[in-house]
Parts: sequence; C-alpha cells; structure tokens
Amino acid sequence: GDSVTQMEGPVTLSEEAFLTINCTYTATGYPSLFWYVQYPGEGLQLLLKATKADDKGSNKGFEATYRKETTSFHLEKGSVQVSDSAVYFCALKIQGAQKLVFGQGTRLTINP
Amino acid sequence: NAGVMQNPRHLVRRRGQEARLRCSPMKGHSHVYWYRQLPEEGLKFMVYLQKENIIDESGMPKERFSAEFPKEGPSILRIQQVVRGDSAAYFCASSPPTNVAGELFFGEGSRLTVL
Repeated sequence: GDSVTQMEGPVTLSEEAFLTINCTYTATGYPSLFWYVQYPGEGLQLLLKATKADDKGSNKGFEATYRKETTSFHLEKGSVQVSDSAVYFCALKIQGAQKLVFGQGTRLTINP
Repeated sequence: NAGVMQNPRHLVRRRGQEARLRCSPMKGHSHVYWYRQLPEEGLKFMVYLQKENIIDESGMPKERFSAEFPKEGPSILRIQQVVRGDSAAYFCASSPPTNVAGELFFGEGSRLTVL
C-alpha cells in the first residue's frame, strides 16, 4: 500500500546548523508530496508541497525537492533557529484520492 | 476567516464512558477528515466524510467508533465505551469540494484522556 517513511527522531541540532530530514515514499501513480509542521500543543500546518517530479517546494527557509527516481522528498534548511523546534511530518496524496498518508513524524529540537 | 474548529480541546473520560468530539470545517469546506495521533506516534487516518456521507472509513476501528457529518452542524467522532488505549489526540481536517491542491487544513486537535 501507499506509505511514507521518515528519518527516525528525535533530532537535536544547534542554532544555525544545517538540517536534513529524510523522507521516502511508496505509492501507486504519481502522488503529491507535503511537509507539515506541528508546534507543541497545536495542530498541523502546511509547510510546503510539491505536486510533480522535480518540483521544489519552499517556505520559511525550508526546501524539499520531489525526486521521482529515488522516491524521496527530503526536507532541508540551511540555518535552523530555536523557533524551528517542532515535529515535522512528511505526507503524500495519491491522484484521485482525497486523504493524506503521513509518515511517523520527526521531532526536531534546536538548542541555542 | 475562522479555521477548523474542534471542541473540546481536552476531554477526560473514565473507562466505559462515551466520548464525543466535534469538528466544524473551514467556511466553504465540505470535506472532513479525522486522524488519530497516539503518544509519540504519527497521524493515522481514520475516516473521510462529506455532508451526510461517509466516503472512506478504512481507518476506523471496527467497534465502538463512529463518525457523522450531518447536513447541518459539525462533524462528530463518537467513541463508545472508551478504553485506556483510546487516549490520544484526535485531529480534524477539512478541504474544499474540489481539492486540486491536495492541502488539508487542520484543527488544533482534541486530546482525549481515558482514566
């Protein structure tokens, strides 16, 4: 079935470090791909998305590129801040379906 | 423009009681989704509804759980005879009728604690 696998957490970095959170997927057809972020005690917010191969989604300094050949959508940021501490979820949506399928989430903690 | 509204934000129940969680979608959205997040785990899809119709309930437990989205009023996720394993955060999301972009808009969740 359709699934998303994320890098195991938790991830702890120092402020201004480079961030990569890996995400790979298994899906029939050509899914749309998403990164959502969940701050403590809150719901999920869309961070960025890409709808076709080689698209790059970007927002708030975060980027992810839809790689069809490696079925990946890794999240990157060049210089993280303490305020980026949150749980990050990778997700996919199959063409013709409405629901999103989520990965298990990666907890990120940034230390000053 | 109000977002997805869920209530209650926190709910405590004793084993065997019933829990009712409510979700009002964003204005203009007619599709509602329920997800469950167990402690330290990801989000698991439960059910997808449109007004007066259950479209996909492939993630709903076979017993004790039900969902509805009536013509008027919020969507309701109902858990009968709760057990400790039902303790989780339940998130509702909504989307417009033609969701080409695929984005779901989430509420802040209802956190159920079963004593």
